[in-house]
Amino acid sequence: GAGVSQSPSNKVTEKGKDVELRCDPISGHTALYWYRQSLGQGLEFLIYFQGNSAPDKSGLPSDRFSAERTGGSVSTLTIQRTQQEDSAVYLCASSLVSAEQFFGPGTRLTVL
Amino acid sequence: GEDVEQSLFLSVREGDSSVINCTYTDSSSTYLYWYKQEPGAGLQLLTYIFSNMDMKQDQRLTVLLNKKDKHLSLRIADTQTGDSAIYFCAADSGTYKYIFGTGTRLKVLA
Repeated sequence: GAGVSQSPSNKVTEKGKDVELRCDPISGHTALYWYRQSLGQGLEFLIYFQGNSAPDKSGLPSDRFSAERTGGSVSTLTIQRTQQEDSAVYLCASSLVSAEQFFGPGTRLTVL
Repeated sequence: GEDVEQSLFLSVREGDSSVINCTYTDSSSTYLYWYKQEPGAGLQLLTYIFSNMDMKQDQRLTVLLNKKDKHLSLRIADTQTGDSAIYFCAADSGTYKYIFGTGTRLKVLA
């Protein structure tokens, strides 16, 4: 398909472990976003990548969270030493510059 | 900071109209958006309105914008069971960042 894909769709981990979440954006989209959706909350902006520019990391909640985007395409969001409050759905979106954001189906993370 | 607020739940009968409301605080928002999220799926853009418009209609969807009151609404005519989902209002902050509301869960009763 031509949409945004994310993997895994579900991830259950133990408190203290590291997790990696993957996002494959739509081909040709230069902008990539990560959001966190917690139960009963709106979407919380985490990080934004645009081309070769420095990413906007202003939404990352702590230094346990990091993300990279290799070759301007695939992105990985890493959460180190996971905590129970990290349990949420992590959504990735991509877009052309300043245009509609297309969302992936999300990764549901559960930290036990 | 910027904030977008929505009521959490709405329940309507099939065939009735649904009206989902949203208020936002950032007067510099250029575009305002409505997204739909079905269970287990990502967000799908339903419609959007430019800030210098006060109404936009797209088939069963009508968006009303009151810029003075910073109030946005989405009306769904002839609501169907397939419209049951979470609806998110979002405002751009004049940049690439969208500020999303908490989402309104619409339940359509047969």
